[in-house]
Amino acid sequence: NAGVMQNPRHLVRRRGQEARLRCSPMKGHSHVYWYRQLPEEGLKFMVYLQKENIIDESGMPKERFSAEFPKEGPSILRIQQVVRGDSAAYFCASSPGVGREETQYFGPGTRLLVL
Amino acid sequence: EDQVTQSPEALRLQEGESSSLNCSYTVSGLRGLFWYRQDPGKGPEFLFTLYSAGEEKEKERLKATLTKKESFLHITAPKPEDSATYLCAVQRRSNYKLTFGKGTLLTVNP
Repeated sequence: NAGVMQNPRHLVRRRGQEARLRCSPMKGHSHVYWYRQLPEEGLKFMVYLQKENIIDESGMPKERFSAEFPKEGPSILRIQQVVRGDSAAYFCASSPGVGREETQYFGPGTRLLVL
Repeated sequence: EDQVTQSPEALRLQEGESSSLNCSYTVSGLRGLFWYRQDPGKGPEFLFTLYSAGEEKEKERLKATLTKKESFLHITAPKPEDSATYLCAVQRRSNYKLTFGKGTLLTVNP
């Protein structure tokens, strides 16, 4: 049973470019979460999505950042006009979304470097 | 606002030297407390979920316990392969997002 998949694993962008990070949840999971890990800081929640719905985006910056989880295909975290401060590891997690079992299983992350 | 504080920040042990990691938390309406392990360059790997005070869970050399204010991760007779950063996180009943501590970096020397 494949785990959470993220791609690319590493992404280099110049300031002002766009970054697109993709996440495929575990099979049978319908809930997706995005977290960001800055150097020397803990993991910070960004956004929680279900298929075609954003449930909670309270941790996502209001400008330049957006997320989607379409009916078909992976979840996408999009960062427009990247700045150096966006350099971080971005992790996606998924959970079954059924009953009490809401353990989140994490992917390997995408390391974004903004030059 | 939910808060999670882990201590110590770093811990060095000799192989076989048992110890405990601490996770103190403040949360309004706890749904669950989670322990993860993170190796360098990888994503967090799920270890345990604890739901109520007094609960304990074990897996190999690890044992997690929970009180109303803190959780402990006990490591018995650790091996070098237990070296990693151990992360603690809390989840509220009212939503599903995880609030993480900064982690404890454990190094086990052979």
